Amino acid sequence: IQLTQSPSFLSASIGDRVTITCRASQGIGSYLGWYQQQPGKAPKLLIHAASTLYSGVPSRFSGSGSGTEFTLTISSLQPEDFATYYCQQVNSYPKTFGQGTKVDI
Amino acid sequence: EVQLVESGGGLIEAGGSLRLSCAASGFWLSNYEMNWVRQAPGKGLEWVSHISNNGRTIYYVDSVKGRFTISRDNAGNSLYLQMHSLRVEDTALYYCIRGQYGGLWGQGTLVTVSS
Repeated sequence: IQLTQSPSFLSASIGDRVTITCRASQGIGSYLGWYQQQPGKAPKLLIHAASTLYSGVPSRFSGSGSGTEFTLTISSLQPEDFATYYCQQVNSYPKTFGQGTKVDI
Repeated sequence: EVQLVESGGGLIEAGGSLRLSCAASGFWLSNYEMNWVRQAPGKGLEWVSHISNNGRTIYYVDSVKGRFTISRDNAGNSLYLQMHSLRVEDTALYYCIRGQYGGLWGQGTLVTVSS
């Protein structure tokens, strides 16, 4: 299963609403996670099961979608949100990742 | 503290072998499926391998099948990745991650394969 994220690069400002899309090459139900990776650090899980906020993650992050199209939304971009975001499907093996979306100032 | 700590990476010539370890603390490894994920320098994330909590179900990405072996020691709270016939393209930071969705990641261990 291939995952295609769009856009690959996004330029935004503090306070902006940001939406990232992840499209799967075939249906994966709701078996999708979203991760944030800051430079030089390990990724962190933000959303699992397409729309469930992981423990401790700020409520400005939200996920939606099912089947083949999914979105990650950041309602009001904060300075610490400038990072690269990845989606990953866990419906079947190999558990593929999207290519990433870099959110920059 | 709940954490995963990888070790065993290093500089190795192509064709060589390495064994990565991942030590879990603050929780029982036996309660979780575990995965290895890697990230080549400046590149995205690539899932490498999965092992079920009891070790009976294992999967690999095609590019490492026949060369890498995942295993676990639940009594010792550790996960392993034995890597043989290493290639330049295996150069990456290797992470162990906990659970179906990777709710916990280690800091990674760097494997550099030279030609």
